[in-house]
Amino acid sequence: EVQLVQSGAEVKKPGESLKISCKGSGYSFTSYWIGWVRQMPGKGLEWMGIIYPGDSDTRYSPSFQGQVTISADKSISTAYLQWSSLKASDTAMYYCARLVDTAIYYWGQGTLVTVSS
Amino acid sequence: QSALTQPRSVSGSPGQSVTISCTGTSSDVGGYNYVSWYQQHPGKAPKLMIYDVSKRPSGVPDRFSGSKSGNTASLTISGLQAEDEADYYCCSYAGSYTLDVFGTGTKVTVL
Repeated sequence: EVQLVQSGAEVKKPGESLKISCKGSGYSFTSYWIGWVRQMPGKGLEWMGIIYPGDSDTRYSPSFQGQVTISADKSISTAYLQWSSLKASDTAMYYCARLVDTAIYYWGQGTLVTVSS
Repeated sequence: QSALTQPRSVSGSPGQSVTISCTGTSSDVGGYNYVSWYQQHPGKAPKLMIYDVSKRPSGVPDRFSGSKSGNTASLTISGLQAEDEADYYCCSYAGSYTLDVFGTGTKVTVL
């Protein structure tokens, strides 16, 4: 069974750094694109970026380029999303998502990030 | 890349049909047969309902169907049921060098 298990909720202050994770299991982690989707409170879904763990090819949405870093450690089948300096506007639910061709067949359970002073 | 345009809300009575539109451009919806639809219940992760415009993943009821004409894709829910009340998002491939783009989302209410 394919599973994506994300790290737990985080409460941070503006300016702090953060790295959240998504562990894949039940499939060949290096063979599928995996990415991150943001959902701000009461709002819609937004692609942030994707990574191909097999060769670490990474692509970002223009809105998120330079704002976050996406990485993967194929030795432990885990993808990451990190911020170097959080802002209040980063408060959102973040989902990891595994693609099959161009559709998201599998979703993580979501990680709620709250940034507040 | 701008979000695809969906109606804010649609509603119908149990047993009726509702259709949600998803309008993009020739660079996304109109240019490829790679539109997917996702259902999201409150507090839950989204779920894939339709891919490649009109294909249903295993386990999705055949009450859900998808189509496309020009730059507009559509999701139709036939025989509306109470559990279909949720938010629905379309998503389209937009080319090799850009990420897929989501729609603005539609809230389906079962009256």
